[in-house]
Amino acid sequence: AQKITQTQPGMFVQEKEAVTLDCTYDTSDPSYGLFWYKQPSSGEMIFLIYQGSYDQQNATEGRYSLNFQKARKSANLVISASQLGDSAMYFCAISNDYKLSFGAGTTVTVRA
Amino acid sequence: GAGVSQSPSNKVTEKGKDVELRCDPISGHTALYWYRQSLGQGLEFLIYFQGNSAPDKSGLPSDRFSAERTGGSVSTLTIQRTQQEDSAVYLCASSLRGLAGVETQYFGPGTRLLVL
Repeated sequence: AQKITQTQPGMFVQEKEAVTLDCTYDTSDPSYGLFWYKQPSSGEMIFLIYQGSYDQQNATEGRYSLNFQKARKSANLVISASQLGDSAMYFCAISNDYKLSFGAGTTVTVRA
Repeated sequence: GAGVSQSPSNKVTEKGKDVELRCDPISGHTALYWYRQSLGQGLEFLIYFQGNSAPDKSGLPSDRFSAERTGGSVSTLTIQRTQQEDSAVYLCASSLRGLAGVETQYFGPGTRLLVL
């Protein structure tokens, strides 16, 4: 069984600042993938970034980067230079087969 | 189409009625997934299709839930004799081949189901 824990239910960040969203996971499988999705108020799940368990380098995708610490089983998402449009729910998910197991999510509100 | 589409976007039904939710995946994607998002349970996996076959139906909550996929494309999730606890957002996703743990799943906008 796999489990994702997101301990921050909600966060506020000032526009143009960086924010870190925590994600820890539990799995006994040595091979897995970690995903972050964004869900704005419209409801659609938008893929942001992926990290494979065997990847040596932290994943980056534009303003998104992953702080992947395999030994600690954490995969924190860093959003740099926050924009008003970043206000949304963010989900961390893990997969070692075809299905995703999601955390409870973190709501981010960007203030002008 | 460019992305995953789902219909209807909203559905209100009376308890005991049957409902059908439709998902049209990204063209060429062989793997298709259904998830449910509810306030109490968060995001839950329901079923996975590889082509027209469903090798994993483990997440379907009860025998009132069924799903099929035809032509390796469109999928329909059917809920019979709906109950109030079925109220949720039903999300469909697709991926290119369904490779374990490495493939990104792309989601549709969801169907918001309300059972009165």
